[in-house]
Amino acid sequence: AQSVTQPDIHITVSEGASLELRCNYSYGATPYLFWYVQSPGQGLQLLLKYFSGDTLVQGIKGFEAEFKRSQSSFNLRKPSVHWSDAAEYFCAVGAQETSGSRLTFGEGTQLTVNP
Amino acid sequence: NAGVMQNPRHLVRRRGQEARLRCSPMKGHSHVYWYRQLPEEGLKFMVYLQKENIIDESGMPKERFSAEFPKEGPSILRIQQVVRGDSAAYFCASSPRLVGTGELFFGEGSRLTVL
Repeated sequence: AQSVTQPDIHITVSEGASLELRCNYSYGATPYLFWYVQSPGQGLQLLLKYFSGDTLVQGIKGFEAEFKRSQSSFNLRKPSVHWSDAAEYFCAVGAQETSGSRLTFGEGTQLTVNP
Repeated sequence: NAGVMQNPRHLVRRRGQEARLRCSPMKGHSHVYWYRQLPEEGLKFMVYLQKENIIDESGMPKERFSAEFPKEGPSILRIQQVVRGDSAAYFCASSPRLVGTGELFFGEGSRLTVL
C-alpha cells in the first residue's frame, strides 16, 4: 500500500523568501504524485502533478516540484513566496489499480508567510 | 462548466441525528470518491463508487456510515446516529474514468458539526 510523509507540520517564511516543502512517498512502482493547496474553509486546488517523463514539473502560481526516485521524494518549491501563498499544502500519491484513481494524502504542511 | 458540487456546505446535527451529504460530480465523470478530513489532519479515503456500484469501501467505518451513487442524481454519504467524533469536513472528488491520469477533482467540502 502506498503512503505519504510530510515531515514538516508547520513552516514559516518571510514574504519574498524561497520555499521548499518536503514530501516522501512509499510505493512499489512508479507513482502518480500530486500537490494540492487548501485555503481555510475551502476545498483542494491542484497545484501540479507528476505522471512520467520530465522529473521537474511546473505548476500554477509559480510552484514547481521535482520527482527524485532515488530519494522517494517529491518536494514542492517556489523561488519567492507571496503573502497569498499562506495555506495548507498536501502531497498525495496515486496509483492506477483496479480500485480506480485512489489518492493517499500526507498529513499536510501549514505555511505561514510573514510580511 | 461546473466543478464538483457538494451540499450542504455546512451542517449542524445533534448527537443521534442523521447527516446526509450530497455530491454531484463534474459533468462526464462517473467515478466518485469520498474523503474525510478531521481537524488538524490530512484527508483519509472513505469510499469509491461508480454509478450504482460501490467499488471500494475499505475506508468506511463499519457502522453508521453508508454511501450510494444512484443511476440518477447525486452521490450521497449518509451518517446515522452521529457522534461528536464525526465532526469533520467531508470532501467529494470525481474522475472521468477508471484508467487515466489519476487526477481527482475535488469539491469544496461539507463541514459537519455534531453538538
